[in-house]
Amino acid sequence: NAGVTQTPKFQVLKTGQSMTLQCAQDMNHNSMYWYRQDPGMGLRLIYYSASEGTTDKGEVPNGYNVSRLNKREFSLRLESAAPSQTSVYFCASSTWAGASYNEQFFGPGTRLTVL
Amino acid sequence: GENVEQHPSTLSVQEGDSAVIKCTYSDSASNYFPWYKQELGKRPQLIIDIRSNVGEKKDQRIAVTLNKTAKHFSLHITETQPEDSAVYFCAATRGADGLTFGKGTHLIIQP
Repeated sequence: NAGVTQTPKFQVLKTGQSMTLQCAQDMNHNSMYWYRQDPGMGLRLIYYSASEGTTDKGEVPNGYNVSRLNKREFSLRLESAAPSQTSVYFCASSTWAGASYNEQFFGPGTRLTVL
Repeated sequence: GENVEQHPSTLSVQEGDSAVIKCTYSDSASNYFPWYKQELGKRPQLIIDIRSNVGEKKDQRIAVTLNKTAKHFSLHITETQPEDSAVYFCAATRGADGLTFGKGTHLIIQP
């Protein structure tokens, strides 16, 4: 049981390059999330997928796109990377069933630098 | 949308003393309030959470209190130890649309 896994762990891009961050969970969770963490800013929600087949914008979606490939996998794409997207990216998953919301489990993070 | 304010940003306490971190939230529909601990270079890890139908929850040296009327919740750590040194985040949500986090508190335990 690996929990939430992310690839890659580290990435350096040049301005304008594109890349996809991969996330997978093996806990049979319904909901998956992408956050970014910048110094002094806490974690901010980029996009989320409340259930398989749905995706929605979070607080800071500009410059990103997502795909919920299946129940296990949720990817984040940067089409044209900018220095402002230098950050640590965390994927998370949880189960939401009606009025019962359960713990979000986080992946190990991807440290992205855009030059 | 939800807005979560967290104070203080840095807290230094003597080993063995208590530490208190406070958060306020803006959305009265929020019903789940977790606290995460994050060590340097690591992922956030849940340490305790509370739901809106409960006023207080305790787990060994850690407790959380919730005041729905005032829209604030607090983390209490008693008998602090060196391994408690980390950054702590509070968060709030109304459902499956993701967590809104505070900006974090850097807790320093002085020997």
